[in-house]
Formats: sequence, structure tokens, C-alpha cells
Amino acid sequence: NAGVTQTPKFQVLKTGQSMTLQCAQDMNHEYMSWYRQDPGMGLRLIHYSVGAGITDQGEVPNGYNVSRSTTEDFPLRLLSAAPSQTSVYFCASSYSTSGNTEAFFGQGTRLTVV
Amino acid sequence: ILNVEQSPQSLHVQEGDSTNFTCSFPSSNFYALHWYRWETAKSPEALFVMTLNGDEKKKGRISATLNTKEGYSYLYIKGSQPEDSATYLCARDSNYQLIWGAGTKLIIKP
Repeated sequence: NAGVTQTPKFQVLKTGQSMTLQCAQDMNHEYMSWYRQDPGMGLRLIHYSVGAGITDQGEVPNGYNVSRSTTEDFPLRLLSAAPSQTSVYFCASSYSTSGNTEAFFGQGTRLTVV
Repeated sequence: ILNVEQSPQSLHVQEGDSTNFTCSFPSSNFYALHWYRWETAKSPEALFVMTLNGDEKKKGRISATLNTKEGYSYLYIKGSQPEDSATYLCARDSNYQLIWGAGTKLIIKP
């Protein structure tokens, strides 16, 4: 089983550039989410989706866009990269939208904005 | 946004010793509490999802308890082994979102 596939693993961007982080899951999960992880802090939710066509903002959505055109895919777009967006990004999915089923994580993307 | 606190921040434990650490969270409107294990250079992996007050779950040498009335959960590791070295995360659900603690970093000394 592939599970949650997240690409790329590493990326360096210049300030002002845009890019898309890809996330795909093959478990038919309804709920998908994007997190960023910064030193000394817990995972912080950027955006989430409770199903195809439905997205919503998390704790730190500014500077990021998402879409969910299919159940499988949930890309994260950085519109104009800033050094403050240097972080490790994780995509996750879970079967239920109600919070009582475990989350499965992608392998992470280490993004550096210079 | 509610706050999830984990303590201690880090912990050094001798191989073979048992240990435990804490996750504290607001108890109002509680639905579920998650525990994850996160090894360096890997992704977090689920250990337990707990929903009922008084719930106790076990996986091998690792177990967890839940007190939803007072808003805390304990994770226990019995007879620590080097492979237990990892960061342990807890998260509480809140309105379609998981709110995460900063984790407890566990280092097992041989």
C-alpha cells in the first residue's frame, strides 16, 4: 500500500517564487490536511478538507492555497514564498472527519526559502 | 484555538527503566485524544486514539490512559529499549481539527 505520498522531499525556493506541494492518498480517506512543523512547536494546521470540493482554513493559512478536486489529491500551493515559510510540511489523511480515527502522514517536505 | 501541553519537553531514560509522560488538554467539548510516535527523519505514526473517559489502551510495552474530566492523558513505556527513542506527540480534536502538543523527546541511554 502506498498510503500517503507527498512530493517533493526537499525544495529550495527564492523569495517570491511560487510552488505546489503534492499530496495523494490511496486509502479513500475523506479527511486530508496540511501541517507545518517548526522547531519547538507542535504541528500547526494550515488547511484541511473534509471531502472532495470542500476545504477550510486551519490555524496558519496565510500565504497558502489548497484545492480538493478529487478524494485522492490535496495539493498545497505557496503563492509567493517568504523566508517565514521555511519549514517542514506534512500532509496527512484519515478515514473519518470526526477526529476519532488515526491520521496517516506523508514523508514530509523540507522547504527552505532564501 | 485550544492549547495542548506536553511534559516534560525531553526525557533521558536508562535502558530497561520504565517511564511516563503527560499530555494536558482542555476538557470541554472533548471527543478524541491521539498519541503518535515520531522517529527522526520519519513521519509520525499513530499509537492510540482514545475517546472514552477512563479508557486504557496498550500496544506491546506502551500503554496510555485517558481522563477527560480533568483533561489529561498519560503515556507509559515499560522496560525502555533503544528503539523507543523518538518524539511522542499527543493531539486533541477540535471542530474537524487536531490540535497538537509540542511533543516529548525520549532518549534511551544504553
